[in-house]
Amino acid sequence: EVQLVQSGAEVKKPGESLNISCKGSGYSFTNYWIAWVRQMPGKGLEWMGSVYPGDSDTKYSPSFQGQVTISADKSISTAYLQWVSLKASDSAMYYCARHEDIFDPWGQGTLVTVSS
Amino acid sequence: SYVLTQPPSVSVAPGQTARLTCGGNNIGANSVHWYQQKPGQAPVLVVSDNSDRPSGIPERFSGSNSGHTATLTISRVEAGDEADYYCQVWDTESDHPDVVFGGGTKLTVL
Repeated sequence: EVQLVQSGAEVKKPGESLNISCKGSGYSFTNYWIAWVRQMPGKGLEWMGSVYPGDSDTKYSPSFQGQVTISADKSISTAYLQWVSLKASDSAMYYCARHEDIFDPWGQGTLVTVSS
Repeated sequence: SYVLTQPPSVSVAPGQTARLTCGGNNIGANSVHWYQQKPGQAPVLVVSDNSDRPSGIPERFSGSNSGHTATLTISRVEAGDEADYYCQVWDTESDHPDVVFGGGTKLTVL
């Protein structure tokens, strides 16, 4: 079974750094893109960017370029989403998803709360 | 950038047919994918490439795409179909390929 399992919920203060993860299993991790998608409370889905674990190629949405870093470690089949300095407005649910053209499957989501 | 427009809400009685639309400039030239998101859960793919149904998705779910509108049709609606539905395309006309989601439609089963 193809599965993406994300790291657990995080509570952070503004200005702190954060790294959340997404571990793939049941398929060849290096052969598919992994996307990160943000969903703010009560809002829709926003694509942040994607990484191709085979060669670490990354693509970012213009809205998120420079705000986050997306990476992958193919040796442990894990993709990452990283912030250097969190803001309260980063509070959201974050999903990873395997993709070529379509996003399938999705991870269970990681809730990030940023509050002083 | 490319914009996909979905009505915020659609309501339908059980057993009836729900038609959820996704509007975009010449969207018929794109492949449209649809995702279902139930409360507190991650999105799930229900229709890919305009009208293909993934394994495990009921035949009641179907899709079409032409002109400036793509449509997800749910026949014989059940209470369990109540969810948010998002359409998605790849915008290949920008400087680099960009993923675009519609704003989502909340389907309420009366």
